Amino acid sequence: GAGVSQSPRYKVAKRGQDVALRCDPISGHVSLFWYQQALGQGPEFLTYFQNEAQLDKSGLPSDRFFAERPEGSVSTLKIQRTQKEDSAVYLCASSLVVAAYYNEQFFGPGTRLTVL
Amino acid sequence: AQKVTQAQTEISVVEKEDVTLDCVYETRDTTYYLFWYKQPPSGELVFLIRRNSFDEQNEISGRYSWNFQKSTSSFNFTITASQVVDSAVYFCALSEPNGGADGLTFGKGTHLIIQP
Repeated sequence: GAGVSQSPRYKVAKRGQDVALRCDPISGHVSLFWYQQALGQGPEFLTYFQNEAQLDKSGLPSDRFFAERPEGSVSTLKIQRTQKEDSAVYLCASSLVVAAYYNEQFFGPGTRLTVL
Repeated sequence: AQKVTQAQTEISVVEKEDVTLDCVYETRDTTYYLFWYKQPPSGELVFLIRRNSFDEQNEISGRYSWNFQKSTSSFNFTITASQVVDSAVYFCALSEPNGGADGLTFGKGTHLIIQP
């Protein structure tokens, strides 16, 4: 596809369940980002990959959150033992270049996670 | 630490009116980048503009214009002759190559409603 895709688009989980959210970035994009967007708020940075290397995970809220990008393309954000406060939209973005701080990021439609 | 403030939570205007969205940022770096993104109801953030800290020229793109003033740490966005299709949430964001996380720091967004 032409843009960033994410799946599933909606996920409902019972508290304590593990979830896995998938991101397919634009082909050839080196940089990949995950953000968390709570209702009525701006996106908040979670983690950053350059190819398969996770260079920054400073935004991950707890050790229940884990992200990987093993082959430098598709990425998965995993949340273990979900809590109600994890309910949010999880956005994935990709960027063509290594020095992503100055470059446009292309965002996917997000996965809306609801934890009951 | 970097911070972006969008004081206007919601703005409602009638179609064809001009509207300005405010953005104030905080950073310790002399090199940084500012962005505006649009988030329509579909949820996917759409890039509008990027500006680096050394370029204070204002920019106009069709009905959109941006006013960057380092002296007041502001990067305001004006829509001229607004249209219903402009209705969305608009986010201002900041990135710094030399400090903080690798992702964008977003403001909380301004919900713009254009009434017909």
